[in-house]
Amino acid sequence: EVHLVESGGGLVQPGRSLRLSCAVTGFTFEDYGMHWVRQRPGKGLEWVSGLNWNSDRIGYADFVKGRFTVSRDNSKNSLYLQMNSLRGEDTAVYYCGKDYSVAVTGRIDSWGQGTLVTVSS
Amino acid sequence: DIQMTQSPSSLSVFVGERVTITCQASQDISTDLNWYQQKPGKAPNLLIYDASNLETGVSLRFSASGSGTDFTFTISSLQPEDIGTYYCQQYESLPPTFGGGTKVEIK
Repeated sequence: EVHLVESGGGLVQPGRSLRLSCAVTGFTFEDYGMHWVRQRPGKGLEWVSGLNWNSDRIGYADFVKGRFTVSRDNSKNSLYLQMNSLRGEDTAVYYCGKDYSVAVTGRIDSWGQGTLVTVSS
Repeated sequence: DIQMTQSPSSLSVFVGERVTITCQASQDISTDLNWYQQKPGKAPNLLIYDASNLETGVSLRFSASGSGTDFTFTISSLQPEDIGTYYCQQYESLPPTFGGGTKVEIK
């Protein structure tokens, strides 16, 4: 069974950094692209970033370019999101998601339960 | 970026009634469209991929159709466990983008 578990969320002050992790089980991690999607309180879903199986294709939403960095460690079956220069509007539940293919197509077929990031002083 | 316009934003129907949600893309996305259900406090759950294909294990009450720019999602007979918010999402090109969501409630 596919299982994705996010961690690393919490309360952080504006301008500070946070690193999210997503640990996966139940599938061969290196065979799939992966994504981060967020949901601000009471709002809809926003794609944040994604990368293909070997990290040679990476995409970011405009609102995080230059501030967030996605990465993966296939030896540890883990996905990461380094978030720098955090702003109040980054407050959200962050979900990791599995692509249906090795590429970063955006077709997300499995999701983690999410981790809450709160940016506030 | 491709814009996804979903309607209605909310609806309230009786148990057993039919529910129809529409999603319009700002440009041709062929059939590169997912439909998700999200229950309160939970992660989204994939129901439909490639515009009309039912994900494994998903109830046959759910169906969808469309191609190009216009898409439709249907619940044939609403059940209490179907309450939640439904989202369409295109993956024709990055960034993948979502509709604004349709909140489905029981009348």
